[in-house]
Amino acid sequence: AQTVTQSQPEMSVQEAETVTLSCTYDTSESNYYLFWYKQPPSRQMILVIRQEAYKQQNATENRFSVNFQKAAKSFSLKISDSQLGDTAMYFCAFMKHTGNTPLVFGKGTRLSVIA
Amino acid sequence: GAVVSQHPSWVICKSGTSVKIECRSLDFQATTMFWYRQFPKQSLMLMATSNEGSKATYEQGVEKDKFLINHASLTLSTLTVTSAHPEDSSFYICSARPPGQGYGNTIYFGEGSWLTVV
Repeated sequence: AQTVTQSQPEMSVQEAETVTLSCTYDTSESNYYLFWYKQPPSRQMILVIRQEAYKQQNATENRFSVNFQKAAKSFSLKISDSQLGDTAMYFCAFMKHTGNTPLVFGKGTRLSVIA
Repeated sequence: GAVVSQHPSWVICKSGTSVKIECRSLDFQATTMFWYRQFPKQSLMLMATSNEGSKATYEQGVEKDKFLINHASLTLSTLTVTSAHPEDSSFYICSARPPGQGYGNTIYFGEGSWLTVV
């Protein structure tokens, strides 16, 4: 079975600064997807960024980037130029590459951006 | 893009009654949908996998007689909370993954449903 671990329950960052959220996972699969989802108070699940395990290049989406270390099974999220709207819960998630399988989520990190 | 819609967004029901939550895929056919439950300040917990035309697969510890799942068509899955009790109050959210590669292997979530049992 796959597990996803987020070791930082809460984090805070000053507006315009950079913050990194940690995520590690455990799997015996060789190919899979990793995701970061943002959940604001509305509870809507918003996809932030996605990484395919067979791609060595780290994914980037505007101010959001990941550091994917496959051997170490680590998938951290870096948020640059933090904005007040980035305040939310962030969930790291794993999904097998093949088959119609669900996402496996970490426990989440509550990020607060401070003005 | 692909959209998953969930209804109702909010529902209040009395103890002992049943309530139904719908999850629809609006522009793709979903043979499989997933139902999650989220307690306050916690992560999403997978409750069950909904399979079109067959029985749902429930996760360990989830009462299948209490949380009835029906996936009668390729665009609709329903979750019925039967004989609801206050401890069933929670946020329920569904998700679906469009078939094939056209959507980039992305999972789409419904808006979620807040259930309050009084």
